[in-house]
Amino acid sequence: KNEVEQSPQNLTAQEGEFITINCSYSVGISALHWLQQHPGGGIVSLFMLSSGKKKHGRLIATINIQEKHSSLHITASHPRDSAVYICAVLGGSQGNLIFGKGTKLSVKP
Amino acid sequence: DVKVTQSSRYLVKRTGEKVFLECVQDMDHENMFWYRQDPGLGLRLIYFSYDVKMKEKGDIPEGYSVSREKKERFSLILESASTNQTSMYLCASSSDMIRETYEQYFGPGTRLTVT
Repeated sequence: KNEVEQSPQNLTAQEGEFITINCSYSVGISALHWLQQHPGGGIVSLFMLSSGKKKHGRLIATINIQEKHSSLHITASHPRDSAVYICAVLGGSQGNLIFGKGTKLSVKP
Repeated sequence: DVKVTQSSRYLVKRTGEKVFLECVQDMDHENMFWYRQDPGLGLRLIYFSYDVKMKEKGDIPEGYSVSREKKERFSLILESASTNQTSMYLCASSSDMIRETYEQYFGPGTRLTVT
């Protein structure tokens, strides 16, 4: 079983829809990251959180440490949000990041 | 802004060739990482380094080696490239693995094809 599981693997939405991507993990962690990867490969960090909720523009990330679960929400989705969203947890045996396999989001106009 | 650069965006090499992938960061970060990314498998850690001349194996080090002679530069070496090393290679750096503000910054990636 993977230590970090994301769902769904693929997601297609219409512009304007509210989007939720989920991440569950099985290891103890000190922090969880949400990353965004656009076609072409570059990865940028969206959020790093260890408790509660963070908001940046139309993006909201929440984490429930007891349930070992995090969600990334996108409000009023737009085609430019189309990307792969990756969940990663800090807590490997060597203190490194453990990555989920990503969720590919396509937002249609 | 933190900048992590990689020497090539696209690279095509032949089986058996020795391949060098270079990564440079300009933020004086202690930690540097090499990952490969494959469809359906996500990002997997190959090697990482906590300091100059220090290296640690990640999850999939076989077939790879690394070099960190200077703090800002971390090189990934494929001693004898094979077709199963065709992949997207991503370099990352971070300032501290323990602090609350720990964050990894990624380079643009090198798409390597071994024929």
